[in-house]
Amino acid sequence: TQLLEQSPQFLSIQEGENLTVYCNSSSVFSSLQWYRQEPGEGPVLLVTVVTGGEVKKLKRLTFQFGDARKDSSLHITAAQPGDTGLYLCAGERFTGNQFYFGTGTSLTVIP
Amino acid sequence: DAEITQSPRHKITETGRQVTLACHQTWNHNNMFWYRQDLGHGLRLIHYSYGVQDTNKGEVSDGYSVSRSNTEDLPLTLESAASSQTSVYFCASSENPGLGETQYFGPGTRLLVL
Repeated sequence: TQLLEQSPQFLSIQEGENLTVYCNSSSVFSSLQWYRQEPGEGPVLLVTVVTGGEVKKLKRLTFQFGDARKDSSLHITAAQPGDTGLYLCAGERFTGNQFYFGTGTSLTVIP
Repeated sequence: DAEITQSPRHKITETGRQVTLACHQTWNHNNMFWYRQDLGHGLRLIHYSYGVQDTNKGEVSDGYSVSRSNTEDLPLTLESAASSQTSVYFCASSENPGLGETQYFGPGTRLLVL
């Protein structure tokens, strides 16, 4: 059973559209991270959120940590082909330095 | 520049053989991790280490072992490879235990067990 569930699993949109990816769990996390992974490469960290309700913006990307620290969302405004990739959320439990990764969302932005 | 490397990048082996995947980091990080990535499961933690001579089991450790004899390396050994271990394996490192510590990932090793 996966600790973190992401939705949707696959997303194909036109350039310029907005989208939201969700990361949900029944467990509470001390921090939540979002990574992007390109084909043939390892994941690269985009952002870390550590406070319930926290919102962080990275250019056209907006990340939110749920008030109860059980969920997170990633919103992309005016998607571009360069946003194409696999997006992974990862939650850190309060005990230990381990991260539990979500199931992933594969995003394709069509020019 | 500091980096984390994995070798080999691709490996084909037969069921029952012992296989070792190498991971080497020049960040001088204390923490090192091994994950496997399978479609529909994201990344799952196999083993991790917080320093030399320290190793811990992750959520999918059966059939795998690691050893940490120095700061730079954490080799992953499949004692007797099984077809269920066909996967892409990623090594990662982070500096210190801490809230939201950044993990730096290697490029991955694609393993096929026939």
